[in-house]
Amino acid sequence: QQQVKQSPQSLIVQKGGISIINCAYENTAFDYFPWYQQFPGKGPALLIAIRPDVSEKKEGRFTISFNKSAKQFSLHIMDSQPGDSATYFCAASTGNQFYFGTGTSLTVIP
Amino acid sequence: DARVTQTPRHKVTEMGQEVTMRCQPILGHNTVFWYRQTMMQGLELLAYFRNRAPLDDSGMPKDRFSAEMPDATLATLKIQPSEPRDSAVYFCASGPGQGNEQFFGPGTRLTVL
Repeated sequence: QQQVKQSPQSLIVQKGGISIINCAYENTAFDYFPWYQQFPGKGPALLIAIRPDVSEKKEGRFTISFNKSAKQFSLHIMDSQPGDSATYFCAASTGNQFYFGTGTSLTVIP
Repeated sequence: DARVTQTPRHKVTEMGQEVTMRCQPILGHNTVFWYRQTMMQGLELLAYFRNRAPLDDSGMPKDRFSAEMPDATLATLKIQPSEPRDSAVYFCASGPGQGNEQFFGPGTRLTVL
């Protein structure tokens, strides 16, 4: 059973556009929701994270929107740049449990 | 510049051979994670240590995989015997133990022929 469902699998956005990646979870005990960015040949790097006591967190061009009642959270990348082209993973965790989404390959076209 | 280091970065071996992957967590971090990444399965948690004690290794095939932390600066993942289906990128991550943050190493790309 997949604990975290991520969509879309791939995404193509024009430079300057908004990239939106969505994740849904089932376990209401999850209390930490990070997003990771991974470039080819590199390890995932923590991008931004949120806890369920807030509905939104913004860091620069990156924003997490969190909907506790719907058990969904999303990553918004504003003013997307070619350098943002990477694979993005959402994750959810509580205690000793850590689950990653299947990843979204983002391509930003110049 | 604190970062997680992993060795080797690449390993090609033949089926049946023992493989040992090493990880040096960020100094001061007390949690260590081992992940396996494949195209088919994505990122899978294999093992999780806190203060060098294994807390969860339910994601690891017990018959052939073993994970240890001989000391606070070294974590190891061993596969014996290795099989072609073990071919993947293995990541180590460490965290400060608060907030569930994890910082990933560059990975070990394992190919079992």
